[in-house]
Amino acid sequence: AQSVTQLDSQVPVFEEAPVELRCNYSSSVSVYLFWYVQYPNQGLQLLLKYLSGSTLVKGINGFEAEFNKSQTSFHLRKPSVHISDTAEYFCAVTPSSGTYKYIFGTGTRLKVLA
Amino acid sequence: EAQVTQNPRYLITVTGKKLTVTCSQNMNHEYMSWYRQDPGLGLRQIYYSMNVEVTDKGDVPEGYKVSRKEKRNFPLILESPSPNQTSLYFCASSPRSRGSGRVFFGPGTRLTVL
Repeated sequence: AQSVTQLDSQVPVFEEAPVELRCNYSSSVSVYLFWYVQYPNQGLQLLLKYLSGSTLVKGINGFEAEFNKSQTSFHLRKPSVHISDTAEYFCAVTPSSGTYKYIFGTGTRLKVLA
Repeated sequence: EAQVTQNPRYLITVTGKKLTVTCSQNMNHEYMSWYRQDPGLGLRQIYYSMNVEVTDKGDVPEGYKVSRKEKRNFPLILESPSPNQTSLYFCASSPRSRGSGRVFFGPGTRLTVL
């Protein structure tokens, strides 16, 4: 079975400051990892994904994430946030084979302050 | 336009009154699923379907039913709704290739059970 932990339920940060949203996962099998963003009153959109290869992946809107297999982490980063980045961010995993299901974390609400 | 549609978007009902939330996708995706989103609990999978006539339980299936008679439709049925099913519901679809991360979410259905 797989699980995803997002320890920070809320992260306030000032505009133009850097931010890191943490995600740790647990799995006995190989997984693919994803970050999704949910803007108010909308569904989820894919930000970026890690399947294999380079452990640093870049996504849309200037976000990037680093896969760390030894620490089973997939933290999301942005060097300089904007007010428009205020949203809820979800980390998710899916097994690379076998049962096809996505497991989502509980989400981190990023609030960018002026 | 590629999309997942859900209806209704908002629903207030009373305990015990059967209801159906419809979900339809126009992308010919094999995989469809239902999630509920609750504060502090993130997205939890209710049911998923790998293809027509193939459905399976997710993490929180109690009190829900689904069917997949056509590839494009995946309705969620609450035979006897209870107040603990008050939640925000999302339908999602994705292609067979799990590594794409391309999970398309519907706009959500906010259900209140009194």
